[in-house]
Amino acid sequence: DTEVTQTPKHLVMGMTNKKSLKCEQHMGHRAMYWYKQKAKKPPELMFVYSYEKLSINESVPSRFSPECPNSSLLNLHLHALQPEDSALYLCASSQLDRGVVNGANVLTFGAGSRLTVL
Amino acid sequence: EDKVVQSPLSLVVHEGDTVTLNCSYEVTNFRSLLWYKQEKKAPTFLFMLTSSGIEKKSGRLSSILDKKELFSILNITATQTGDSAVYLCAARFMDSNYQLIWGAGTKLIIKP
Repeated sequence: DTEVTQTPKHLVMGMTNKKSLKCEQHMGHRAMYWYKQKAKKPPELMFVYSYEKLSINESVPSRFSPECPNSSLLNLHLHALQPEDSALYLCASSQLDRGVVNGANVLTFGAGSRLTVL
Repeated sequence: EDKVVQSPLSLVVHEGDTVTLNCSYEVTNFRSLLWYKQEKKAPTFLFMLTSSGIEKKSGRLSSILDKKELFSILNITATQTGDSAVYLCAARFMDSNYQLIWGAGTKLIIKP
């Protein structure tokens, strides 16, 4: 079982709905990530939180709104999505220590939330 | 432009065969290369390689990095149907905790 838990596993929503994806980890990791993965493509980085602060926003449309309430939780709020936003949304976490090479910064992924926008 | 290229894109072999998956990279300020296995959903970590010539092993899987020729290989011996998955490699920059350049993946199918 993955140590990063994502809910829901599947989500179907209309373009006018507001929904949220949730992610939780208890490994003490201080970096948390949202990735989007389309079929047969590698994951694409969306957001990174470092010490609960947004560090990276990869030019993601504002209809995706991340939130990191504490060091264990990461949310992705969804509003007014488009059908092309349908994808697997992966949460990941990692340690934060640039001085340590071996074992550091390895991403642990959740099982993902499969999103379908109608 | 930084890039990671995996080959082949797909591979079908029979159980018991040995396979070699390739990952070449052109990344400025390269730090390390990571291999992940993705079956249905979550990519799971296999190896992180930072130094050239040091083979990392985990059971039937092994991987090595060549920083001179800018590539890595992932070997799987005595393949089993459970090895069927997409294998992803990703390169990490020296000055970034977060950024990864991902390859497109190799889809490996093991036939019984």
